[in-house]
Amino acid sequence: ETGVTQTPRHLVMGMTNKKSLKCEQHLGHNAMYWYKQSAKKPLELMFVYNFKEQTENNSVPSRFSPECPNSSHLFLHLHTLQPEDSALYLCASSQRIAGDANTGELFFGEGSRLTVL
Amino acid sequence: RKEVEQDPGPFNVPEGATVAFNCTYSNSASQSFFWYRQDCRKEPKLLMSVYSSGNEDGRFTAQLNRASQYISLLIRDSKLSDSATYLCVVNTGRRALTFGSGTRLQVQP
Repeated sequence: ETGVTQTPRHLVMGMTNKKSLKCEQHLGHNAMYWYKQSAKKPLELMFVYNFKEQTENNSVPSRFSPECPNSSHLFLHLHTLQPEDSALYLCASSQRIAGDANTGELFFGEGSRLTVL
Repeated sequence: RKEVEQDPGPFNVPEGATVAFNCTYSNSASQSFFWYRQDCRKEPKLLMSVYSSGNEDGRFTAQLNRASQYISLLIRDSKLSDSATYLCVVNTGRRALTFGSGTRLQVQP
């Protein structure tokens, strides 16, 4: 199994829909992240979880709602999104939280490409 | 000013060429530095860490200049398979890494 798996890989939704993105890591890591990647922009950090506890919410609109039931799973619940939310949503994990111990390796999933109509 | 700034490119170089990418960061308290590589429509992957003394991994050399808040990546003897976007990444001591927008490299036959 690959280290970090994300589903679905592609999602098209209307502005009034509710959907969820799922991320699962099989690496035994303790920290998990959601990043957003839009064309020609740097990866934008959205949320950070460390040992299932949310440690960072990077001023993300409430139409994005994360959930981390355990250290291996991370969800991003989506509702009443806007067309400008169309992007690649990347989940990542690391053994320890990236701000500590100078760790630099995040393991990314392949991403969920979201299109909001 | 962006936290991590990179020339977006693209850099179009022939096979066998040497190419260098630069990156500047704004937070002088940044603790550690990395280069990631992202292939087209794929996820980013760690290429190498960047140490103050400079470090080399095969054809790749990374340098850090803390005084100028500047990081570089040198690729020697470019291969077609080096074509990708190279992301400069900085650990500022907050809860996650900060990524640059990336520099696109296209190696041509």
